[in-house]
Amino acid sequence: GENVEQHPSTLSVQEGDSAVIKCTYSDSASNYFPWYKQELGKGPQLIIDIRSNVGEKKDQRIAVTLNKTAKHFSLHITETQPEDSAVYFCAASRQAGTALIFGKGTTLSVSS
Amino acid sequence: DADVTQTPRNRITKTGKRIMLECSQTKGHDRMYWYRQDPGLGLRLIYYSFDVKDINKGEISDGYSVSRQAQAKFSLSLESAIPNQTALYFCATSDPRPRGASTDTQYFGPGTRLTVL
Repeated sequence: GENVEQHPSTLSVQEGDSAVIKCTYSDSASNYFPWYKQELGKGPQLIIDIRSNVGEKKDQRIAVTLNKTAKHFSLHITETQPEDSAVYFCAASRQAGTALIFGKGTTLSVSS
Repeated sequence: DADVTQTPRNRITKTGKRIMLECSQTKGHDRMYWYRQDPGLGLRLIYYSFDVKDINKGEISDGYSVSRQAQAKFSLSLESAIPNQTALYFCATSDPRPRGASTDTQYFGPGTRLTVL
């Protein structure tokens, strides 16, 4: 089955710096890769996703890149702000009919 | 998100008790999921349902059962709770893209914190 590895488990940056979180997956049939943000006391919320026919996707300060050959994808947050502090999860899945497999999460702390 | 609600939000129970966690959604989605979250382990899938007549086991279904009472309701039961089932439980829903397209986005509820003593 699919296995998703996520690194680092914790990440501390200064406000204004960039943050990068990396994930690798094992199932070459996976074709959907979402990223979720979980704030304290809340459920995860989708912040960006990418499908296997695209190499990069941006949404304001957030971008995701996908390397299908190497089977890894990354989340990039630029100009970090204290409100970016949260736990971030990557996930992967195949086409409709299977569920998401999540990484173990990265705790991002942005200090001002 | 208010579209996905979970009850109760917190529950403390004793070993051997039967517990039911409930999930309701107003998003009109066919697909519903139950996950548990443990520190350092991320989110692990317990059960999922793609419609009222479809129930599937996830990676950690032992010790759990589910019931899909209606499109909008999906309940998770612990028949005889044990301490290692202490965790944060999340319900999620999704709506598949048009027929022939690839996978769908999941929307999570606020979670239920369960403690088994």
